[in-house]
Formats: sequence, C-alpha cells, structure tokens
Amino acid sequence: GDSVTQTEGPVTVSESESLIINCTYSATSIAYPNLFWYVRYPGEGLQLLLKVITAGQKGSSRGFEATYNKETTSFHLQKASVQESDSAVYYCALGPTGANTGKLTFGHGTILRVHP
Amino acid sequence: EAAVTQSPRNKVAVTGGKVTLSCNQTNNHNNMYWYRQDTGHGLRLIHYSYGAGSTEKGDIPDGYKASRPSQENFSLILELATPSQTSVYFCASGDTGGNTGNTLYFGEGSRLIVV
Repeated sequence: GDSVTQTEGPVTVSESESLIINCTYSATSIAYPNLFWYVRYPGEGLQLLLKVITAGQKGSSRGFEATYNKETTSFHLQKASVQESDSAVYYCALGPTGANTGKLTFGHGTILRVHP
Repeated sequence: EAAVTQSPRNKVAVTGGKVTLSCNQTNNHNNMYWYRQDTGHGLRLIHYSYGAGSTEKGDIPDGYKASRPSQENFSLILELATPSQTSVYFCASGDTGGNTGNTLYFGEGSRLIVV
C-alpha cells in the first residue's frame, strides 16, 4: 500500500535557525499523487500548510516551502528562519487525484519545538 | 470561515459500552471523513461519506459504524468500545476536487479513552 515516512521528532531548533523536515513517500496505487503538508498548532485541528499536485513544482506558504520530487519520491519541508510561533506538529500526506482526494495517507507527524 | 466542530472533545468510556462521536460542518462540503491518530502512526481513515445518506469504509473500519443523516453531520459510532479504540479521532470535510487536490478542513479532535 501507500506510505509516508517523515523525520522522527521532536525536532528542536532555535528561533531564526533554518529547518528541514524530511518526507519520503511510496505511492504504489497512485501514479501521480497529490502531496500535502498539514500543520497542527497546540489546541487546534489540522490545517493545510501547502500542497503540490504536479511533480517538479514547489509549494510555499508562511515562509515554508516544499518541492515535489518524483525521482527521489520526496517532499521535504523547509524554512530559512523559523519563529517560535512555528512550534507545532507537521504532517506530510499524499492523496489520489479525482473524487476521492480526501482519502489521504499521512505520515506519523513531526513535533517541532522552536526555542526563543 | 470553514468550520468543523466535534463533540465530545474528551470522553472516557467503559469497555463494551456504546460511544458516539459527532461532527458538524458549516462548509457545505459534500465529503466528510473520520480519521484516528495513535502514537507512532499517522492519521488513518476509518470511514468517509460522499453526502447525506452515504457512508463508505476506509482503511480501518472494523469495530466502527458511521452515519451521515445530513450534509452537515457525520457521526462515528462504536457499538462495543474496546481499549484498542483509545485514540484521538479527527473529523474532516472537503469538496470533490477533481485534479486540484482538495483541501481538508479538520476539527480539533476528540480524545477517547476506553477503560
């Protein structure tokens, strides 16, 4: 089946440092999956951070960016300078195109802690 | 603003008891989903629905039923709760996105402990 593997957490960084959270996927049942990063801030539900539906393209939001690399089956999340408010749990996910696009396969989530 | 609300937010149930988790969305989305998350696992899909009156099995449906009486409401039912169903449950709504990769809107989660 499909699977997503991401950096084991927690990841602890200091404010203004750079960040990378790795995500690799295996999409055995989907030829060209859609790729997502969701984020869960403390006390809130998951919310979409960014998504990319075309291989080779880059998505960006709130200073975060991720590039859909079909060759390496990766979708790493990066940010040049993190802020304390970025502390959250980050989930990488893949999903099919078409009507069932809500049937996502998630990674286990990476806890990010940013120290001031 | 998109809104998905779940109730209860926290629940302690006894083994063998019946538990109903409720979800309401004001997004007018056709699709709704129930996921659970356990330590060391990503979110896993339990049941989903394409609209009122429709329910479909997800990847881990055993021990769960679902009900979609209206566009806005989607319930997850544990007829005979077991300790293995202790988890955090997330409801989400989303529209059919074709090839655009639709966005899911999640509730805040319901923490269930079965003792």
